[in-house]
Amino acid sequence: QKEVEQDPGPLSVPEGAIVSLNCTYSNSAFQYFMWYRQYSRKGPELLMYTYSSGNKEDGRFTAQVDKSSKYISLFIRDSQPSDSATYLCAMSETNAGNTTFGDGTTLTVKP
Amino acid sequence: SAVISQKPSRDICQRGTSLTIQCQVDSQVTMMFWYRQQPGQSLTLIATANQGSEATYESGFVIDKFPISRPNLTFSTLTVSNMSPEDSSIYLCSVEDGSQPQHFGDGTRLSIL
Repeated sequence: QKEVEQDPGPLSVPEGAIVSLNCTYSNSAFQYFMWYRQYSRKGPELLMYTYSSGNKEDGRFTAQVDKSSKYISLFIRDSQPSDSATYLCAMSETNAGNTTFGDGTTLTVKP
Repeated sequence: SAVISQKPSRDICQRGTSLTIQCQVDSQVTMMFWYRQQPGQSLTLIATANQGSEATYESGFVIDKFPISRPNLTFSTLTVSNMSPEDSSIYLCSVEDGSQPQHFGDGTRLSIL
């Protein structure tokens, strides 16, 4: 079993929809939780970064961490075609060093 | 955040040859990493590039195949040696500056014929 499991997708939604991207993990020592966005032919771009449990909001994006359930989510409100990309969850025990990545969910937002 | 330049952006190579990929950062960073990303798959850490000492390799990756240099705090190279078609992949450099998670370059897309 993988240490981090990410909903595989692909996911296709109409413009304006609310998108939910999810990951589960097994290592209870993970404390730092990240979401990266990767456009085609580009490297992963850090989108959201949270420490421990709780919610963090940045514009249309909300990252949610539930450590008791070992479950993290990224919500995208009012999704736009420019949000079409692959989203990778990532986690680490400390704020430096080894990071474990999910396999990614490819999202397509149709105009 | 640090700006990362990776060269070349892509290459097509003959089997049995070697290719060196460069990663340049616009500021000094404490940690630099090299990853491989197979099409449609997630990131696999190859090694951590340590400044002034040998790189730390992950299980399944060896120095003879993937020699790494890190002569200073802003630059690293990864060489893919004696390439075979199985080495066709995207190779990514990332950096960590101590206060933020890793940031990535745009990668090198490598195809082996």
